[in-house]
Amino acid sequence: DAGITQSPRHKVTETGTPVTLRCHQTENHRYMYWYRQDPGHGLRLIHYSYGVKDTDKGEVSDGYSVSRSKTEDFLLTLESATSSQTSVYFCAIRMGGRGTEAFFGQGTRLTVV
Amino acid sequence: GQQVMQIPQYQHVQEGEDFTTYCNSSTTLSNIQWYKQRPGGHPVFLIQLVKSGEVKKQKRLTFQFGEAKKNSSLHITATQTTDVGTYFCADPNTGNQFYFGTGTSLTVIP
Repeated sequence: DAGITQSPRHKVTETGTPVTLRCHQTENHRYMYWYRQDPGHGLRLIHYSYGVKDTDKGEVSDGYSVSRSKTEDFLLTLESATSSQTSVYFCAIRMGGRGTEAFFGQGTRLTVV
Repeated sequence: GQQVMQIPQYQHVQEGEDFTTYCNSSTTLSNIQWYKQRPGGHPVFLIQLVKSGEVKKQKRLTFQFGEAKKNSSLHITATQTTDVGTYFCADPNTGNQFYFGTGTSLTVIP
């Protein structure tokens, strides 16, 4: 699985609390992505990174922030979790840029109560 | 945002029947990728199509890229219970971003 680890794998948190999800890769790939997956919506891109400290918004970035201070880690933060952010979150990496395939982590199931 | 649409969203088939999912783009694609996600799992890359009209096969799976490179299809012959899951297409050429289609969830009834 291209050395991708997501943590935690499961989390239950209360509305209004901050939450940080971590994606760790061992192969120094440049491109990293965060998606959320909800029934009927497929995989929606939240944020992505194309290098250390180089990040940008995806299609559903409101309420989320990211950081990438080193190549191997890409953090997704929910500043103040809401019930609408209950979802399964996937991290993905790409070995190159355009035209290359993505490899996914195992996912994090987040429940906001 | 997403410019790649998939149909159908859900499909239930009897084991042994064929299955097809379609991916349609509003713009011409340089190439297209297909992924499979088993229930409870994560998406896994299956194949990439590059050429206009290209057809590739993986055992019972047949992937096709349209002549105009605006659509693609995945056809499974004689489905088995191991084919259960969600199939996604993806456009890997949207700059640094990477968007997936909405997916087709396949249920195979034994």
